[in-house]
Amino acid sequence: KAGVTQTPRYLIKTRGQQVTLSCSPISGHRSVSWYQQTPGQGLQFLFEYFSETQRNKGNFPGRFSGRQFSNSRSEMNVSTLELGDSALYLCASSLVPSGHSSSYNEQFFGPGTRLTVL
Amino acid sequence: KNEVEQSPQNLTAQEGEFITINCSYSVGISALHWLQQHPGGGIVSLFMLSSGKKKHGRLIATINIQEKHSSLHITASHPRDSAVYICAAPRRGSNYKLTFGKGTLLTVNP
Repeated sequence: KAGVTQTPRYLIKTRGQQVTLSCSPISGHRSVSWYQQTPGQGLQFLFEYFSETQRNKGNFPGRFSGRQFSNSRSEMNVSTLELGDSALYLCASSLVPSGHSSSYNEQFFGPGTRLTVL
Repeated sequence: KNEVEQSPQNLTAQEGEFITINCSYSVGISALHWLQQHPGGGIVSLFMLSSGKKKHGRLIATINIQEKHSSLHITASHPRDSAVYICAAPRRGSNYKLTFGKGTLLTVNP
């Protein structure tokens, strides 16, 4: 099976712009979670989607949003970029039974998208 | 104070040494993940455990839920084990969102 893929791998934007990142999960996985990793804060949970529904959200401002499509592919969007949004954005997919949290299941991570905001 | 604390932050070992990385947490949890991140960013899930011990090759993970402590052991360490090791726990009271430790940077010298 193909692993989790993320596009693009690298992105450079300027302050005030918006960005959309894409994640394709492992075939058959309906749960997709997004994480932000920075040198200062480490890994932080952004949100989780399951069957096109957001079922968990981290403590990030409303500029961070996401969605999931019927084929389980997911996108996250960051609007009005700030310098502090520079980070590695990781998505992970999980084979989770309906009603169960992906936090209690093995997660398969993509390679990440490295976003630089200038 | 971080809810999930790892120690040590940095660890340098010689090839062949036995390595222990510790993870302690201040919030109620019922399971814990160990992750490995190599330079370049890719993260691999090593273990998810809720009690006792799990073993995979030279890696062993243990957890004591009551004492709020988990350890990751690497036997016969090898330079290819050099990576950042991160523990993460689903946090009760926050809809079980994963909360991460800051990571332990392990360098194994030949």
